[in-house]
Amino acid sequence: GQQLNQSPQSMFIQEGEDVSMNCTSSSIFNTWLWYKQDPGEGPVLLIALYKAGELTSNGRLTAQFGITRKDSFLNISASIPSDVGIYFCAGLTQGGSEKLVFGKGMKLTVNP
Amino acid sequence: NAGVTQTPKFQVLKTGQSMTLQCAQDMNHNSMYWYRQDPGMGLRLIYYSASEGTTDKGEVPNGYNVSRLNKREFSLRLESAAPSQTSVYFCASSRGRGNEQFFGPGTRLTVL
Repeated sequence: GQQLNQSPQSMFIQEGEDVSMNCTSSSIFNTWLWYKQDPGEGPVLLIALYKAGELTSNGRLTAQFGITRKDSFLNISASIPSDVGIYFCAGLTQGGSEKLVFGKGMKLTVNP
Repeated sequence: NAGVTQTPKFQVLKTGQSMTLQCAQDMNHNSMYWYRQDPGMGLRLIYYSASEGTTDKGEVPNGYNVSRLNKREFSLRLESAAPSQTSVYFCASSRGRGNEQFFGPGTRLTVL
């Protein structure tokens, strides 16, 4: 089946540092989504990307939809303690059998 | 708007007991989903309902049944709970199957 490879699996950074994470797949997706999950909560949608090459920002977050449609990355700039959580990428297929495929998540720890 | 709501938040069952997890959304979304989240496994789709009146199996449907009661509500039933069903269950909804999904806060289920 379709799989997303999300890396790295975890990161430990100092407050104020930037962090990058990415997702790759052997399959093409028509939409890329990035979610954040806080401990004990459900995933919250951060950014949605709809076109190959699209670069979208949401505050300190920037995400890009890869040109090949097989990858996406998320950057967080100037990290703060509340950025702690698990970040998931998800790819959405379309065309009659729409399916959301999730990466395994990246656990981010921010040291104050 | 409350978004996606789930009840209960926590539940402990004995093996063989049955229970129903409730989910409701107030976003007038057509599609609704049930996922389970286990350590190291990410989010796995149990069942989904593309539109009111339809339900389909996802990746891990065994041991579960669902009911799309109306456009707002989508319930998940465990007829005879097993320890392997200990997990965190998330309900999600989307405008359509090809659109981004929004998640509820989750139900943490333990089966003893």
